[in-house]
Amino acid sequence: DAKTTQPPSMDCAEGRAANLPCNHSTISGNEYVYWYRQIHSQGPQYIIHGLKNNETNEMASLIITEDRKSSTLILPHATLRDTAVYYCIVRVAGVNSGGYQKVTFGTGTKLQVIP
Amino acid sequence: KAGVTQTPRYLIKTRGQQVTLSCSPISGHRSVSWYQQTPGQGLQFLFEYFSETQRNKGNFPGRFSGRQFSNSRSEMNVSTLELGDSALYLCASSLGTGSGSPLHFGNGTRLTVT
Repeated sequence: DAKTTQPPSMDCAEGRAANLPCNHSTISGNEYVYWYRQIHSQGPQYIIHGLKNNETNEMASLIITEDRKSSTLILPHATLRDTAVYYCIVRVAGVNSGGYQKVTFGTGTKLQVIP
Repeated sequence: KAGVTQTPRYLIKTRGQQVTLSCSPISGHRSVSWYQQTPGQGLQFLFEYFSETQRNKGNFPGRFSGRQFSNSRSEMNVSTLELGDSALYLCASSLGTGSGSPLHFGNGTRLTVT
């Protein structure tokens, strides 16, 4: 699996957009970009994923650069409940992956939303 | 729809003992994977099961084993516990094995080995 690089920590004012970057310069053409977040003592929560196109759901937006070497997770209006560690990971797509679900998590970005 | 359920939530064991952790995936999910999370090593993949078959295994000693039942529920077992096995053990399920299918995690079992 491709490695990802994220800043160790970020602050964001409550109500403002939080933009979390991720570098995945060794990503392969068939690898999806996934974002999860983890609040202390809970399991990682799925946020969003994408392959090539930008994606949006009720939680966030995912912007993937054209060369797919980096992406940005956008939380449009951060709240205090968004304070968490955010993980960006990449996973091989499709059945040719051997049907396995091995996932490699990096160290993530600790997002602190400030009142 | 109920999420991934892991039991027990907390467990305290003594060195040398064995432990069994349980995971009930989201209804309809057939793939279950297990992870160990520690402050020093982060989240590390243990193994993954699909249709009662182990599909992939991480780099852990043979003391760590698992299985999946016909109803997709899964258990993992750790024998001869060591202090270093103290960790949060997470189970994740997904609808299929293709990686366009998101993993959904439970809240884990916190194992403390004394």
